[in-house]
Amino acid sequence: GAVVSQHPSRVICKSGTSVKIECRSLDFQATTMFWYRQFPKQSLMLMATSNEGSKATYEQGVEKDKFLINHASLTLSTLTVTSAHPEDSSFYICSARVHRDFGNTIYFGEGSWLTVV
Amino acid sequence: DAKTTQPPSMDCAEGRAANLPCNHSTISGNEYVYWYRQIHSQGPQYIIHGLKNNETNEMASLIITEDRKSSTLILPHATLRDTAVYYCIVRVANDYKLSFGAGTTVTVRA
Repeated sequence: GAVVSQHPSRVICKSGTSVKIECRSLDFQATTMFWYRQFPKQSLMLMATSNEGSKATYEQGVEKDKFLINHASLTLSTLTVTSAHPEDSSFYICSARVHRDFGNTIYFGEGSWLTVV
Repeated sequence: DAKTTQPPSMDCAEGRAANLPCNHSTISGNEYVYWYRQIHSQGPQYIIHGLKNNETNEMASLIITEDRKSSTLILPHATLRDTAVYYCIVRVANDYKLSFGAGTTVTVRA
């Protein structure tokens, strides 16, 4: 089946530094990927849509200069949390669509835990 | 804008069938019903989806009412590893932004 992989699965960084999270589609090409954030005991919230070869589109209230998204190839999207603060600590999850079945199923990565200290 | 309504939680016994309801009374004719689950500290896992016919795969069955206003996800033989939050989502085929509600927290007990 389709596989979406994220790296790193867990990362701890110091306040004020930047951290990059990668999202890869392992056995298919993904022109569009999505980034979500999930705080403890809450549901997933869509942050942005990552488009290969063009700028990402951000949901209302998400700072594009703080959460930099790059989708330089058909199999890789990266999310960089810049000048991280403790309130950015969260579970970050990416997803990608697969065209090969009816309904265009969306598959998710394993998620990346970010802790800012 | 919640498009689906699910019970917040349910318990089921290991080995028994788990029936998870979802109401989507405002579903449009071109919207699919998708089910995902999220096991603690993991990304959501795709389970099954359907448009109007009932569907079955190796994980579960999806029963959609004739008027499409509700559906039931059936886990035929629940195991402890099925303990998770289950999300019912409706979306059109070319809308890839999934909107997650609170889902149903399913606890399978031995």
